[in-house]
Amino acid sequence: QQPVQSPQAVILREGEDAVINCSSSKALYSVHWYRQKHGEAPVFLMILLKGGEQKGHEKISASFNEKKQQSSLYLTASQLSYSGTYFCGTASGGGADGLTFGKGTHLIIQP
Amino acid sequence: DTAVSQTPKYLVTQMGNDKSIKCEQNLGHDTMYWYKQDSKKFLKIMFSYNNKELIINETVPNRFSPKSPDKAHLNLHINSLELGDSAVYFCASSQDTRLVDGELFFGEGSRLTVL
Repeated sequence: QQPVQSPQAVILREGEDAVINCSSSKALYSVHWYRQKHGEAPVFLMILLKGGEQKGHEKISASFNEKKQQSSLYLTASQLSYSGTYFCGTASGGGADGLTFGKGTHLIIQP
Repeated sequence: DTAVSQTPKYLVTQMGNDKSIKCEQNLGHDTMYWYKQDSKKFLKIMFSYNNKELIINETVPNRFSPKSPDKAHLNLHINSLELGDSAVYFCASSQDTRLVDGELFFGEGSRLTVL
């Protein structure tokens, strides 16, 4: 089951904040966040685990509500380099079935 | 050294042809994957494979087949190519098979264009 991301697209001025949401209808063991720039591969940002542990980026934070199966990615004081497409990926933890990604959120940062 | 490398980066071919994309990882990971990213940027898993099991996304046509000569390589073979197969194909690997704790490392992608 593919997680649902919102919004689909965001346009910000440099220095503004953004929140990207990800929700799933199935029980999750972890939520991953990746950023992809045009013509490049997705790059890992952060992983959030059941129990509240987080691993990842210094300037980007995220939350994971296990009961609601929701995660949010917080981009504060956005920089031009934050532009790209953000994907959340969910893992069920049941086997080697990889990450299931949402449809992505396109973030454009303008000077 | 590139952690996950794919070849070729670009592939242009005619409908009906058979083609392969190769992937190698030097990270010592046990699990490798193929993802397809279409023109709308939807990133969809096709296969995951480790030493013990191959998991196939049920929506993947059987014209697509992964082949792993060893745990550092996972190649993708596509038979009878169709226009809808045009996409960017990403190989990825992970140390943690269940991805409960551990990231995916992606290759640079192989852009396939079917004419």
